[in-house]
Amino acid sequence: AQSVAQPEDQVNVAEGNPLTVKCTYSVSGNPYLFWYVQYPNRGLQFLLKYITGDNLVKGSYGFEAEFNKSQTSFHLKKPSALVSDSALYFCAVRVTGANNLFFGTGTRLTVIP
Amino acid sequence: SQTIHQWPATLVQPVGSPLSLECTVEGTSNPNLYWYRQAAGRGLQLLFYSVGIGQISSEVPQNLSASRPQDRQFILSSKKLLLSDSGFYLCAWSGWAEQYFGPGTRLTVT
Repeated sequence: AQSVAQPEDQVNVAEGNPLTVKCTYSVSGNPYLFWYVQYPNRGLQFLLKYITGDNLVKGSYGFEAEFNKSQTSFHLKKPSALVSDSALYFCAVRVTGANNLFFGTGTRLTVIP
Repeated sequence: SQTIHQWPATLVQPVGSPLSLECTVEGTSNPNLYWYRQAAGRGLQLLFYSVGIGQISSEVPQNLSASRPQDRQFILSSKKLLLSDSGFYLCAWSGWAEQYFGPGTRLTVT
């Protein structure tokens, strides 16, 4: 069975500091991994994905994520947080050949001015 | 480029009334389509997905149904709404890997 865990419901970080939003996964097979961001009353926006290749993937708005197979993790990072990064972040996983994504429960990021 | 539309954006309906939410996709053909519900601004619950016209898979048995009458149209329906049907309904489409989401419909059942 596939699952995704986002261990932190809430992450607070000061503006200008680096941010990390954690994600671990459990799948049977090779994972495709994704990060999405959601602003209030809006749909989810795709940020980045890992399919294969380089473990460090770069995405929209200066975000990046590192795939770590041994730790089954895919943490989202940004070197310098902006107040406008405050939002709800979802990690998701899909197994090769499957139609569906499995989403984590979300992490609310608050960037403090 | 591909775009996905949902309407209405917001809806307030009494308990026991019917429901029809519509989702359409432009700029792609034969997409996989999905309906999700998000309660209390948090986790996503997959309700239905479709890999083609008339092909619907239900993930959670409940008061809702879905239909795909055309390649790029996905409809979520209910004959009689329950209070527990309130939530934020999201439609998504996928190509090869990631999913792309519509703007959502906020449904309040009173």
